[in-house]
Amino acid sequence: AQSVAQPEDQVNVAEGNPLTVKCTYSVSGNPYLFWYVQYPNRGLQFLLKYITGDNLVKGSYGFEAEFNKSQTSFHLKKPSALVSDSALYFCAVRDKGDSSYKLIFGSGTRLLVRP
Amino acid sequence: NAGVTQTPKFRILKIGQSMTLQCTQDMNHNYMYWYRQDPGMGLKLIYYSVGAGITDKGEVPNGYNVSRSTTEDFPLRLELAAPSQTSVYFCASSYSGGPTEAFFGQGTRLTVV
Repeated sequence: AQSVAQPEDQVNVAEGNPLTVKCTYSVSGNPYLFWYVQYPNRGLQFLLKYITGDNLVKGSYGFEAEFNKSQTSFHLKKPSALVSDSALYFCAVRDKGDSSYKLIFGSGTRLLVRP
Repeated sequence: NAGVTQTPKFRILKIGQSMTLQCTQDMNHNYMYWYRQDPGMGLKLIYYSVGAGITDKGEVPNGYNVSRSTTEDFPLRLELAAPSQTSVYFCASSYSGGPTEAFFGQGTRLTVV
C-alpha cells in the first residue's frame, strides 16, 4: 500500500537557523514527490516537486528538498528560517502507475520558527 | 485567474441534514479531487474525477456522492449528515496526472451537530 510518513508532528527552530522537515514514503513503483504548505484557514499551496533527475530540487520561498531513493526519503530544507515560514507542511506522493493520479498525503508537520 | 473556488467557507449542519459543497475551477483542468482534512490525519481522498462524466471513489467515500457534468464543476453531496463528517473539505484540480501539481481551494469547514 502507498503511504507517506512525516515522523515529526512539530519542528521548532530559531529564525536564521537551517530547518529540515522529514518525509519518507512507500510506493510500489517510482513516485512523483511533492511538498505543500498550509497557512491558517487557507488551502494548500504547492512548494516544490521531484519528477526525475537531480536529487536536489528547489522551490518557492527559498525551500529545497532532497530526494534519496535508497532511503525513500524526500526531506524539506531551508538554509535560513524566517518567522513567516511558520505553517503546516505536507509531503505527498503520486504513484506513476496509478491512473487516478491521486496524491497520498502525510499527516503534516507543524513548523514553528521563533524570533 | 480565480483558480479553484469552494463555497461555502463555513457551514453548520444538524444530524440527518443534507448539503452540497460546491467546487469550480477555471483552469480547464481534467482531474478534480475532494479531500477531507482531520486534525493530525493529513488529507484523505473522498472522490475523484478524471474528466467530465467520469467519477470514482477514493479512500473514504461512504456518506458522500459526487457528479461531474462539466469540466469546471465538481460538487460534493453529503446525504444524512453525521458527526463523523465534521471536517475541513478541500477541492483540488490538476491539468493532468503525472508530474503536474494540484491546485487547492481554500476549504469548507463543516460542523455536524
